[in-house]
Amino acid sequence: EAEVAQSPRYKITEKSQAVAFWCDPISGHATLYWYRQILGQGPELLVQFQDESVVDDSQLPKDRFSAERLKGVDSTLKIQPAELGDSAMYLCASSILQGGSYNEQFFGPGTRLTVL
Amino acid sequence: AQKVTQAQTEISVVEKEDVTLDCVYETRDTTYYLFWYKQPPSGELVFLIRRNSFDEQNEISGRYSWNFQKSTSSFNFTITASQVVDSAVYFCALSERRSSASKIIFGSGTRLSIRP
Repeated sequence: EAEVAQSPRYKITEKSQAVAFWCDPISGHATLYWYRQILGQGPELLVQFQDESVVDDSQLPKDRFSAERLKGVDSTLKIQPAELGDSAMYLCASSILQGGSYNEQFFGPGTRLTVL
Repeated sequence: AQKVTQAQTEISVVEKEDVTLDCVYETRDTTYYLFWYKQPPSGELVFLIRRNSFDEQNEISGRYSWNFQKSTSSFNFTITASQVVDSAVYFCALSERRSSASKIIFGSGTRLSIRP
């Protein structure tokens, strides 16, 4: 069964360092989402891609976060510099794009980031 | 604006008891989707159910059942004869159907503990 892949699964970094997360969506899924889940809260959308284009990054802290999906397939989310408050689970999801009906989002296992 | 409220932060019951998780949502759209996800300690999000706003029929799947009431904007989840394996954080979520690739808005979750 096809799955969304994410790496690394766990990352520990120090404040002020740069960190990057990778996501490989299910093959053929045009839409890719990055969510952040702070401990004790529900996931919150950071950025949404349609192929290689960003369609929603309204909640992305653009002074330190960046996301790219250069070829419209896999994606990288970067934080530079990391801050203590960035400690969270980062979840990637993908969905196929078909007009007229809801397209299920499939979630990856997440990357748990700890900033010391 | 969209909003999902899960007022129960934590619930603890003894195994075999029935338990209901409450979910109240807010949306201005007439077409939307509601979800429940399970997040076990391992961290991955497990999809449980999706309902669209035009289908108010209650649904039963084994020990799980869902009660959707548009009149009260609620989508409650009941586990019958709970088991220790049901222990997890459960999220209710909402997606407005503005496009076939709309983001999901999550509630803050209810942590369910089933004691043996």
